[in-house]
Amino acid sequence: DAKTTQPPSMDCAEGRAANLPCNHSTISGNEYVYWYRQIHSQGPQYIIHGLKNNETNEMASLIITEDRKSSTLILPHATLRDTAVYYCIVRVYNTDKLIFGTGTRLQVFP
Amino acid sequence: DTGVSQNPRHKITKRGQNVTFRCDPISEHNRLYWYRQTLGQGPEFLTYFQNEAQLEKSRLLSDRFSAERPKGSFSTLEIQRTEQGDSAMYLCASSLGESNTEAFFGQGTRLTVV
Repeated sequence: DAKTTQPPSMDCAEGRAANLPCNHSTISGNEYVYWYRQIHSQGPQYIIHGLKNNETNEMASLIITEDRKSSTLILPHATLRDTAVYYCIVRVYNTDKLIFGTGTRLQVFP
Repeated sequence: DTGVSQNPRHKITKRGQNVTFRCDPISEHNRLYWYRQTLGQGPEFLTYFQNEAQLEKSRLLSDRFSAERPKGSFSTLEIQRTEQGDSAMYLCASSLGESNTEAFFGQGTRLTVV
């Protein structure tokens, strides 16, 4: 079973920041938080991952709370092409399978 | 294109027929995974390989399903005696296999059993 909880859907205006929350209250100390997204009819696309420090790359920022029980994915300037289902995944250390939940469907509107 | 490649992209088959899908991972990746995704759900893990060794299989992988990676490069997923419930997107992914690396997914093979 997925170890994360996400809202089923969110809206965001184009050009604004999209903040996607994720709860993972049962996360263990050696488990990473990964984010993927899936645009309709395509394979999931890796976005970012982190353990306990905040992370930033060219696509997004990941903010993990100090107790690590929740995190937020931030798309700083959402575009229409960011419309997708976003999956937050807790990955157990040294195992490779990703346990997906049902994700958050982000709709970016003009 | 140096990403994960899956063939065919679409497959329509009659119930009871056998089908085989192919996945070509990113060349230096030694781990390869198969997932299945049905409409409205997230991908579900099926199995994965470290080089040619199949290290884990999900309970979802019934005895009608078999996956191989004979030379540690490409992989095949075969479904025998297909059923309508097998209709899904079958996704392949690969990674370097280290604990803190990401997996890259292919575009998937969409199977429709009629």
